[in-house]
Amino acid sequence: DAKTTQPPSMDCAEGRAANLPCNHSTISGNEYVYWYRQIHSQGPQYIIHGLKNNETNEMASLIITEDRKSSTLILPHATLRDTAVYYCIVSLGGGGFKTIFGAGTRLFVKA
Amino acid sequence: ETGVTQTPRHLVMGMTNKKSLKCEQHLGHNAMYWYKQSAKKPLELMFVYSLEERVENNSVPSRFSPECPNSSHLFLHLHTLQPEDSALYLCASSQGVRQRWGELFFGEGSRLTVL
Repeated sequence: DAKTTQPPSMDCAEGRAANLPCNHSTISGNEYVYWYRQIHSQGPQYIIHGLKNNETNEMASLIITEDRKSSTLILPHATLRDTAVYYCIVSLGGGGFKTIFGAGTRLFVKA
Repeated sequence: ETGVTQTPRHLVMGMTNKKSLKCEQHLGHNAMYWYKQSAKKPLELMFVYSLEERVENNSVPSRFSPECPNSSHLFLHLHTLQPEDSALYLCASSQGVRQRWGELFFGEGSRLTVL
């Protein structure tokens, strides 16, 4: 499985866009990029996923580079409640035994 | 009802006790998972079940014993645990269709303290 690299922490001002990068240079052609987040002491929450095209839902946007070696999760208007650890995962078909969580990026949204 | 429900939310047990964690999903999913999250560590996948059949066991000590009686329920039986087993135990479910496991839906977790 492809592995991902994320910065350990980031800050963002409330109301501004939060852009969380993820490198996955060894991703294979049929692996998806998934993003989850975990607010302190809660279970992780699915955010969004994509294969090749950019994706948007009510929570966030996912921008995947053309070569698929990196992606960016965008929270368009960060709020204090978006403070969490964000995990980028590449996985064949989503879950199963291939869903391995790394350390993620701890996002601090500041007032 | 929430999608994935875990009970109990908090559990304190001695090293000689036997207890069980329960997980129930109301999403109609076919796959269920146990993860362990120790302090300041990433989530560790413990067990995966698909259609009630165990498909993955990541070298978990035998003092942890999973049980999946049907696609909606998952248990983690605990016995003779060690203090280092204290952690947040998370249950998740996903669609679990062949080659398309789908995104994971997690419960709130059971926080276990072993004295």
